[in-house]
Amino acid sequence: DGGITQSPKYLFRKEGQNVTLSCEQNLNHDAMYWYRQDPGQGLRLIYYSQIVNDFQKGDIAEGYSVSREKKESFPLTVTSAQKNPTAFYLCASSSGGPSVTDTQYFGPGTRLTVL
Amino acid sequence: AQSVTQLGSHVSVSEGALVLLRCNYSSSVPPYLFWYVQYPNQGLQLLLKYTSAATLVKGINGFEAEFKKSETSFHLTKPSAHMSDAAEYFCAVSYSGGYQKVTFGIGTKLQVIP
Repeated sequence: DGGITQSPKYLFRKEGQNVTLSCEQNLNHDAMYWYRQDPGQGLRLIYYSQIVNDFQKGDIAEGYSVSREKKESFPLTVTSAQKNPTAFYLCASSSGGPSVTDTQYFGPGTRLTVL
Repeated sequence: AQSVTQLGSHVSVSEGALVLLRCNYSSSVPPYLFWYVQYPNQGLQLLLKYTSAATLVKGINGFEAEFKKSETSFHLTKPSAHMSDAAEYFCAVSYSGGYQKVTFGIGTKLQVIP
């Protein structure tokens, strides 16, 4: 079955540590996205990538980094510079291109808790 | 800047009653609008989307939404609520201009009372 997988489902981190969240898709999509979800705030865009080896900052990129070395993979690193990293992180992908009606498909999410 | 406003962060309905979740958008150009549903600790799933082809859009699970330009609204409805409809619903908007930047509302949690 085609889809998006995120791992792990739950992640605990000590303050000061970097942690990497995995996102893999087998939908052959060009575009991939990372969102952060906090209660009562909806989804906020962290980073997006329209094509391999290229990515752009979203609305809340500070304290995060990404890479896009393969079409299927778009890992997100939460660095120690992120002041409040406890949240639910969602990865999404879309076929890409200029169409704004292109549907984004979401993974199941990773819940990160900083101890 | 594009934005959507979802009126009511929590909505409760009785099983079998009409579901109405409100969404208003701000726009100076024609928008493209989406409704997503999220079950607890899961990702978002597309319910339906408006792409200017028809103002009344039918989606999955018996949901539909009507685009009303004069009211800048895209409210989500379902004639009869089912217990399985209990979830959080997000309205979202995007505009033309290359990359698909989608702006999400803050979400509305729907509770269905037996």
